[in-house]
Amino acid sequence: SAVISQKPSRDICQRGTSLTIQCQVDSQVTMMFWYRQQPGQSLTLIATANQGSEATYESGFVIDKFPISRPNLTFSTLTVSNMSPEDSSIYLCSVGEYNEQFFGPGTRLTVL
Amino acid sequence: AQSVTQLDSHVSVSEGTPVLLRCNYSSSYSPSLFWYVQHPNKGLQLLLKYTSAATLVKGINGFEAEFKKSETSFHLTKPSAHMSDAAEYFCVVKEGSNYQLIWGAGTKLIIKP
Repeated sequence: SAVISQKPSRDICQRGTSLTIQCQVDSQVTMMFWYRQQPGQSLTLIATANQGSEATYESGFVIDKFPISRPNLTFSTLTVSNMSPEDSSIYLCSVGEYNEQFFGPGTRLTVL
Repeated sequence: AQSVTQLDSHVSVSEGTPVLLRCNYSSSYSPSLFWYVQHPNKGLQLLLKYTSAATLVKGINGFEAEFKKSETSFHLTKPSAHMSDAAEYFCVVKEGSNYQLIWGAGTKLIIKP
């Protein structure tokens, strides 16, 4: 199984600013995913990031707000842009291996 | 279309008694089903998964789940609850080779001493 790390583990940010979250995997993977978990809620898929192509965004999420980079097979970043308090959530990256997904520890974001 | 319904938002049991967390799903194709656990301030951990092999699936920490196609259910059970089982549990469905996971709303398991 893949081991996934995320940075930062948590942050408190001011509204109007941006935060970039990093996701590092210990092995090469084709598919990486970014999720949002709002307080007390389940997970919602933001986008799928495949190396060498543009990220695919789910309904309700746009590239201008959540730009994603996937420069190689072990790394991805998610930026939360022009933040508002409604963006306060846990952001998780995951990787897909055959019939299973493994998750990073998450980044807990609070926007004031 | 796929969907997952976790029938209880909270379940409270006494330590040492059985645990039952209920999950129903809808799927047009042969689904894969998963249970994930999320402890407070920790990441998601896969408890167990069903992928069209044995219908009774054993997972980590003494948990198991039974896939019942006729009832479209995948309930999670454990014979004897431990204080360390207190966490949020998510039932998840995936169709065929589609990568997308559909998540239930979660069930918070509370263990009383």
